[in-house]
Amino acid sequence: NAGVMQNPRHLVRRRGQEARLRCSPMKGHSHVYWYRQLPEEGLKFMVYLQKENIIDESGMPKERFSAEFPKEGPSILRIQQVVRGDSAAYFCASSPPTGGTDTQYFGPGTRLTVL
Amino acid sequence: AQSVSQHNHHVILSEAASLELGCNYSYGGTVNLFWYVQYPGQHLQLLLKYFSGDPLVKGIKGFEAEFIKSKFSFNLRKPSVQWSDTAEYFCAVSGSSNTGKLIFGQGTTLQVKP
Repeated sequence: NAGVMQNPRHLVRRRGQEARLRCSPMKGHSHVYWYRQLPEEGLKFMVYLQKENIIDESGMPKERFSAEFPKEGPSILRIQQVVRGDSAAYFCASSPPTGGTDTQYFGPGTRLTVL
Repeated sequence: AQSVSQHNHHVILSEAASLELGCNYSYGGTVNLFWYVQYPGQHLQLLLKYFSGDPLVKGIKGFEAEFIKSKFSFNLRKPSVQWSDTAEYFCAVSGSSNTGKLIFGQGTTLQVKP
């Protein structure tokens, strides 16, 4: 059973460009979480999605950031007009459909560098 | 405010030494508690978790943690570390009745010297 897949693993963008990060959950998982890890900090929750629904986006910055988890295909975290402060590692986690309090399984992360 | 605090940012031990990593949390209500580990170059993996029941939880690779409700603590222990335990360790908490989002501590880097 393949684990959580994220791509790309490394992404370099210039200020003002868009970044699109993809996450494919484990087979059978329908819950996806996105976390961000800034340098020298722990992981911070961003958003929780189920298929076609955003359940909790309390950790998402108000502007430039959006997330989706379509019926088909991976979950996408989109950052528009990136700034240097967006440089971080972005982790996706998935959990089974039994509920949001089940164990989350993490992907390898996407390391975004904004030049 | 909900938060998790890990007391040690960087720990250096020799092989066979005992390990205890501190974790305290601030969270209203019933909690679920987790320790995750990130080995160099790898993704986060679950070491152990506490949802309910026996407050002494055993995980993989000889790790255990004890939930002390009165102290809001969930410290991680291992009696004898190995060089392969070199990694970053994260404590996390979620509310039993919420969406399951995890609140992480800032992490502890453990370096085990052979």
